Amino acid sequence: QKEVEQNSGPLSVPEGAIASLNCTYSDRGSQSFFWYRQYSGKSPELIMFIYSNGDKEDGRFTAQLNKASQYVSLLIRDSQPSDSATYLCALGVAGNNRKLIWGLGTSLAVNP
Amino acid sequence: DTEVTQTPKHLVMGMTNKKSLKCEQHMGHRAMYWYKQKAKKPPELMFVYSYEKLSINESVPSRFSPECPNSSLLNLHLHALQPEDSALYLCASSQDPGISYGYTFGSGTRLTIV
Repeated sequence: QKEVEQNSGPLSVPEGAIASLNCTYSDRGSQSFFWYRQYSGKSPELIMFIYSNGDKEDGRFTAQLNKASQYVSLLIRDSQPSDSATYLCALGVAGNNRKLIWGLGTSLAVNP
Repeated sequence: DTEVTQTPKHLVMGMTNKKSLKCEQHMGHRAMYWYKQKAKKPPELMFVYSYEKLSINESVPSRFSPECPNSSLLNLHLHALQPEDSALYLCASSQDPGISYGYTFGSGTRLTIV
């Protein structure tokens, strides 16, 4: 069983819509959760992190964490073509606070 | 300064060459990382330095040799690489202890072995 699972996509949404990206994980001891955005040929860029159950909002981005159901999601409101990228979910490893476990990423395409 | 700077941005080297990748940060982060990323794959951890000491080596072949001369600098020495080592090499840093706020990645070095 994979430790972090993401739908590889591509997820295609029209401009202005809400894009919903999901990530499930298997390690109940995971404490920290991160969303990175990666444009083709570029390095990953941290866009959100969340530790507590519930929602965390930053501009057009909202991260949602549900530890009981073991999922974390990223909502992008008013999606723009510039949001087209691969979104990587990563978890802090329980007992090792310098290592992240990565999902394979979801490719998002926002169509004008 | 909130950047991690990597040089060079691109590197082509033969299998018998020796080269080094460099990484620098001035954010006061005390943990620094080397990652390798192949196309359409997530980053793969290679090494972690914490307070200038190697704390994690993910069973990386000895043809990759990391070095942390001081808290701001991280090098990756390359020798006798194979074509399958061609990849994007990413340096990252984080506040220590741990990764509470995630990593900051550099822009990467695109390495091609010929």
